[in-house]
Amino acid sequence: DTEVTQTPKHLVMGMTNKKSLKCEQHMGHRAMYWYKQKAKKPPELMFVYSYEKLSINESVPSRFSPECPNSSLLNLHLHALQPEDSALYLCASSPEDGRGETQYFGPGTRLLVL
Amino acid sequence: DAKTTQPPSMDCAEGRAANLPCNHSTISGNEYVYWYRQIHSQGPQYIIHGLKNNETNEMASLIITEDRKSSTLILPHATLRDTAVYYCIVRVDQGGSEKLVFGKGTKLTVNP
Repeated sequence: DTEVTQTPKHLVMGMTNKKSLKCEQHMGHRAMYWYKQKAKKPPELMFVYSYEKLSINESVPSRFSPECPNSSLLNLHLHALQPEDSALYLCASSPEDGRGETQYFGPGTRLLVL
Repeated sequence: DAKTTQPPSMDCAEGRAANLPCNHSTISGNEYVYWYRQIHSQGPQYIIHGLKNNETNEMASLIITEDRKSSTLILPHATLRDTAVYYCIVRVDQGGSEKLVFGKGTKLTVNP
């Protein structure tokens, strides 16, 4: 298995809802990442997990809560989001979090907050 | 901030080589140059990366200048499916972790 999968593909939620995005890889990678991409903008890093521990949080608001329950799975819990949080949320993984390691991206979850 | 600059857009005729330039004048000696592309509304796709030497794989070639301040991605025979935004990235070291900081990229349009 050489891919990163993300579910759901699309999500519509209200500002009072709680939802979760899921990312999975079975390549044995030990680093996983969440990115956010607004329309017509490049992806921006949100979080980095290395060996299931959070290593980078790019000052993301607490309404986004990442979780890495095991080395294959990465979740992003969403609560009390704002309409401006509507974006494509991308997950990526790499063998390690280090120099020269290639990140492989999933197809993304397109989120709309109403 | 991204450590690379790229032209915002380029056009290429189908079947011809597409040469995409990238400037990274502040690159450090041990930093890799990565190229990704993103076809509309899909996740970024890894293309190639290099440190000092030129690299080639089944998708593309990467030419890095001797001073490492710039590089060129070459798609030898562009097809319509190569139409995408191409990102040249130098990873940023942060406390032992490395970050991919995407710049604005080059929108490559391959024309029939």
